[in-house]
Formats: sequence, structure tokens, C-alpha cells
Amino acid sequence: AQSVTQLDSQVPVFEEAPVELRCNYSSSVSVYLFWYVQYPNQGLQLLLKYLSGSTLVKGINGFEAEFNKSQTSFHLRKPSVHISDTAEYFCAESDQGAQKLVFGQGTRLTINP
Amino acid sequence: DTEVTQTPKHLVMGMTNKKSLKCEQHMGHRAMYWYKQKAKKPPELMFVYSYEKLSINESVPSRFSPECPNSSLLNLHLHALQPEDSALYLCASSQAGTGYNEQFFGPGTRLTVL
Repeated sequence: AQSVTQLDSQVPVFEEAPVELRCNYSSSVSVYLFWYVQYPNQGLQLLLKYLSGSTLVKGINGFEAEFNKSQTSFHLRKPSVHISDTAEYFCAESDQGAQKLVFGQGTRLTINP
Repeated sequence: DTEVTQTPKHLVMGMTNKKSLKCEQHMGHRAMYWYKQKAKKPPELMFVYSYEKLSINESVPSRFSPECPNSSLLNLHLHALQPEDSALYLCASSQAGTGYNEQFFGPGTRLTVL
């Protein structure tokens, strides 16, 4: 069965510092990977997705992620965070023919001034 | 228009009430989803509709009854709920078919069952 592991439940960082949110996936077949962000009291918004091709994926709000097949990872990075990046971040996977996303448990990113 | 709308934003209901949640999208998507999200947890899939037909029911109790009247609308009818059903209910939509299609989420309905 597919599973997604987000290695950190909470990540506190200072404003303007870099951040990495870690995600490992389990699927051994063609996999599609997504990072979603959920701001307080809102729905989920797609940050970026990996379908195929270049392993470095750029998303919105200055985020990027790198697909690493050998390590089955899809870590999310941002070189300099802002207070407005405070949110819950979910990594998710899907595969060919699937109609559903498998979500990780989420990582709460807290930005301290 | 890349928006999924949900009404109402908040709903408080008693255990004997009947209520409905509504979701609408005008992106031409043919797959629509209901999720339940408890605090500090990821969304849990409840139902998937593909081309207006129910394609996935994740063993959801019958007190939740989904309906897809047309390709733009998705309803979730609620009856005889329990306090543990209190949660954020999210609707999403996507192009139907394979798993590479991004899901667009609505803002959710926060449901409280007394």
C-alpha cells in the first residue's frame, strides 16, 4: 500500500532563514508527488507537483522541491521564509490510474520573527 | 475561474437534525471529492465522484449521503450525526482520470455536532 512519511511534525525557523520540509514516499511504480499548503482556517492549496522530467520542481511563493528516486524522497525547500509562510504543509502521492491522493501527516511550519 | 466554493462556511447541528453541505466548481472538472479533516490531521477521503457517478466510498457511515446532481455540483447530506463527526469538511475537484491531475480544494465547511 502507498504511504507518505513526513519526518517532522513541527519545524520552527526564524524569519529569512532557509527551511527544508522532509517527505518520503513508498510507491515503487510511477508516482506523482504533490506538496499542498493549508493556511489557518482555509482549504488546501497546491504549492508544486512532480509528474515526470526534471527532478527539481519550482512552485509558487518561492518554494521548490527535489524528486530523488533512489532515496524515495521529495523534500520541500525555501531559501528564505517569511512570517506569511506559517502554515501546515502536506506531502501527497498518487499513481497512474489512481483517483485518490495519499497524504502524509503534515508538517507545521512556524516562523519566528 | 479556478475556484471551488463551499457553503455554508460554518454549521452547527444537533444529533437529530438533517442538513446538507454544498460544493460547486466551474472548471469543467469531472471528478469531485469529499474529505473530512480533524484538527492537526491530514484530510481523509470520504467519497469520489467521477463523471457524476460514485466511484469510491471509503466505508463511510450511512449517516453521510453524497449526491452529485450535475458535473458542477456536489452535495453531502447529513443525518443523525454524532459529536465525533465534528470536523472540517473539504470538497475538491480535478480533471477526471489519472492520478497526475491536481486537486483543487474549497475552503471547507466547519461542522460542529452538539
